[in-house]
Amino acid sequence: GAGVSQSPSNKVTEKGKDVELRCDPISGHTALYWYRQSLGQGLEFLIYFQGNSAPDKSGLPSDRFSAERTGGSVSTLTIQRTQQEDSAVYLCASSLAVGDEQFFGPGTRLTVL
Amino acid sequence: KQEVTQIPAALSVPEGENLVLNCSFTDSAIYNLQWFRQDPGKGLTSLLLIQSSQREQTSGRLNASLDKSSGRSTLYIAASQPGDSATYLCAVRGTGFQKLVFGTGTRLLVSP
Repeated sequence: GAGVSQSPSNKVTEKGKDVELRCDPISGHTALYWYRQSLGQGLEFLIYFQGNSAPDKSGLPSDRFSAERTGGSVSTLTIQRTQQEDSAVYLCASSLAVGDEQFFGPGTRLTVL
Repeated sequence: KQEVTQIPAALSVPEGENLVLNCSFTDSAIYNLQWFRQDPGKGLTSLLLIQSSQREQTSGRLNASLDKSSGRSTLYIAASQPGDSATYLCAVRGTGFQKLVFGTGTRLLVSP
């Protein structure tokens, strides 16, 4: 079966522009997670969804970051007014249920010029 | 706040050696621990998941152990191969929290 997919694989944008990153979880997985991997910061948690609800948004670095999930499937991470420090690889993961083994997508490499 | 440390940060070994990667965490109240590998420019591949009630898990040449009370996990790789070259990450999930807290990784190079 298909794994977690993310699009685009690479995104280059100018400072101040908005970007949307998409994640398609494994079919049937109810939990979905967003992480960010940047140089010097390692892998950090951003937000997770149980179904369409986001019980834990504690990792979102600022109010420029938001995420939604519709139909218990696809999720979109939106970054408004991008800054250079937003440059990173954004990784999405899904699990059958919250607390289960997480499976990761290939990531979206975001570069803000 | 949970902190996860991995030692060594980098490791270079000749093909065929058995090796151990270490992971330590500060809060022993964990739900489970997961080991991943990451190849350059790629996402994470899940290797092993150990529940807090378990002491070890095995998959092929990989064996992961967990000592929750001392806040430690080890990943043992038997008969290493050049294809094992990657960065290995451990991550812990605390009770009541669903996010994974990652270590900084061990970069492994296995030479032919």
